[in-house]
Amino acid sequence: NAGVTQTPKFQVLKTGQSMTLQCAQDMNHNSMYWYRQDPGMGLRLIYYSASEGTTDKGEVPNGYNVSRLNKREFSLRLESAAPSQTSVYFCASSEGPGQRYEQYFGPGTRLTVT
Amino acid sequence: AQKITQTQPGMFVQEKEAVTLDCTYDTSDPSYGLFWYKQPSSGEMIFLIYQGSYDQQNATEGRYSLNFQKARKSANLVISASQLGDSAMYFCAMREGWNSGGSNYKLTFGKGTLLTVNP
Repeated sequence: NAGVTQTPKFQVLKTGQSMTLQCAQDMNHNSMYWYRQDPGMGLRLIYYSASEGTTDKGEVPNGYNVSRLNKREFSLRLESAAPSQTSVYFCASSEGPGQRYEQYFGPGTRLTVT
Repeated sequence: AQKITQTQPGMFVQEKEAVTLDCTYDTSDPSYGLFWYKQPSSGEMIFLIYQGSYDQQNATEGRYSLNFQKARKSANLVISASQLGDSAMYFCAMREGWNSGGSNYKLTFGKGTLLTVNP
């Protein structure tokens, strides 16, 4: 099992460009998440999908959109990238809601917006 | 107010010694879960250990144990017999609200503690 995979690993964008970060999990998990990690800070939730067909905003959703394509895949789109979106992006998944389910993380995507 | 506080930006420990990484949390929800994750320099997030608010015993996973003091709202990670490979950033995180709807899904992270294990 690959676990949680993310593409690309690295990306450089110019201000105003758009891109989609891809995430897939092969653990048959119901819930998926997108976080960003900025220097000196822990991870902050951007969007999550509790189950296939649903998505909801997290703590820092502005400037992002998501799509839960199917149970396996959850993508994050930046429509018009800004330098403030320079960050490391992590996708995660868990069996379901409820606080005892740990989240499994992908390797991250390092995004730089110039 | 911060929900998760990790007061030690950096810690040093000698190989084979034990080390405690501090974590305090703030919630009014009686039902919550606490997690520790390790982030090595390669960047991935690795789940280490979980403690539920209703769990009667402190969680243990191999060399990792969680010193859970509910009244003090602390959930310190203890690593026994440190190894060079334990050098990494460690994050404490909390998931609230079994019955709180949306917040049930979010992990709230602390800012992390950078652990360095010296040979």
